Amino acid sequence: DTGVSQDPRHKITKRGQNVTFRCDPISEHNRLYWYRQTLGQGPEFLTYFQNEAQLEKSRLLSDRFSAERPKGSFSTLEIQRTEQGDSAMYLCASSLDRVANTEAFFGQGTRLTVV
Amino acid sequence: AQKVTQAQTEISVVEKEDVTLDCVYETRDTTYYLFWYKQPPSGELVFLIRRNSFDEQNEISGRYSWNFQKSTSSFNFTITASQVVDSAVYFCALSEADGGSQGNLIFGKGTKLSVKP
Repeated sequence: DTGVSQDPRHKITKRGQNVTFRCDPISEHNRLYWYRQTLGQGPEFLTYFQNEAQLEKSRLLSDRFSAERPKGSFSTLEIQRTEQGDSAMYLCASSLDRVANTEAFFGQGTRLTVV
Repeated sequence: AQKVTQAQTEISVVEKEDVTLDCVYETRDTTYYLFWYKQPPSGELVFLIRRNSFDEQNEISGRYSWNFQKSTSSFNFTITASQVVDSAVYFCALSEADGGSQGNLIFGKGTKLSVKP
């Protein structure tokens, strides 16, 4: 399978715990994005990487959130001290930057439930 | 400010009916890109089409067609002879080329389409 892969698919955690999600993009894609989607809403941009550089962060990304892409390949998104409001689907997407604003390919997401 | 509005929250049709999903966008950029994505119940967003702001030609792909009108800032999506497999949530999205935020998508809230047999 050569699509965007996310792990885990589902995560249930207690309030206050830390969680980490992983995203493996399509192998030749150098751009990687994280989005958050809550029920009944469209995805909202969180952050993106060009290779290993994190180039933009949304205001939605509080200081409890951190993302890394250490070698320009896979990425991790960590949420510290989770809150019930963090419950959402976290989507990862990747794209090539050789063509302006080319389409992003999305993974199946990680559904986080904070209890 | 950039914004995408999909006024139709839910649409229900009977199989073989045509259906149009509306999308209206706001942007101050002169160069921008518009997208449609499909999100079936499995959750994965599936890319359908990308359009740049300089190309107002309508596009047809099988049963799908798109009508881009800059004068009304709209990018509507029509499914002809709908099928049950078309049931999904459809998102319209905007990406701006100017400034440093290339590629980040601004999504509408989506339109849930139910096609009944």
